[in-house]
Amino acid sequence: GDSVTQTEGLVTLTEGLPVMLNCTYQTIYSNPFLFWYVQHLNESPRLLLKSFTDNKRTEHQGFHATLHKSSSSFHLQKSSAQLSDSALYYCALSGTQVVGQLTFGRGTRLQVYA
Amino acid sequence: EAAVTQSPRNKVTVTGGNVTLSCRQTNSHNYMYWYRQDTGHGLRLIHYSYGAGNLQIGDVPDGYKATRTTQEDFFLLLELASPSQTSLYFCASSEEGSAETLYFGSGTRLTVL
Repeated sequence: GDSVTQTEGLVTLTEGLPVMLNCTYQTIYSNPFLFWYVQHLNESPRLLLKSFTDNKRTEHQGFHATLHKSSSSFHLQKSSAQLSDSALYYCALSGTQVVGQLTFGRGTRLQVYA
Repeated sequence: EAAVTQSPRNKVTVTGGNVTLSCRQTNSHNYMYWYRQDTGHGLRLIHYSYGAGNLQIGDVPDGYKATRTTQEDFFLLLELASPSQTSLYFCASSEEGSAETLYFGSGTRLTVL
């Protein structure tokens, strides 16, 4: 079945440094949709950005990600971390032809310090 | 912005107890989902539905039943609750399937003693 791997459970950064959260996936479906959801403390997850186009950069709220089907990756990046970016980030995949089956990674907690 | 409302916000029960978690969405979305969130496991899909009367099993369905009574309402049932079901439960909805944006409710924290 489909799977999503987020290798870091916790990423700690100083404010102003670049952010990169890793996401790789596995699916037999040739046209997957990839998502990043963000969950701030005591809130529910909400969509940050999504993509289904190979090698096209997608941006939202200062974050960006590019779907690379050749490497099955969809890493999340930001040029300069802010304190308010501290949150739990989930990478998710809609891969199989079973509509409705969205697979989440285990999440990466980003902690930004002053 | 889609509105998804869950109740109760918190629930405590004992092992073997009977629990129903409720979810209502008011944006005419076809798909509704129940997830559980646990540290180290992320969000895991329990059940989902694409319309009234429909039910599909997710990745971790054991010990859970669900029922979609109307397009708006989706219930999660734990008929014999166990401590392993202590978790934060999220309901979500989307207009169509998983390729669409999921809108999450505020969650129900369930504790099984």
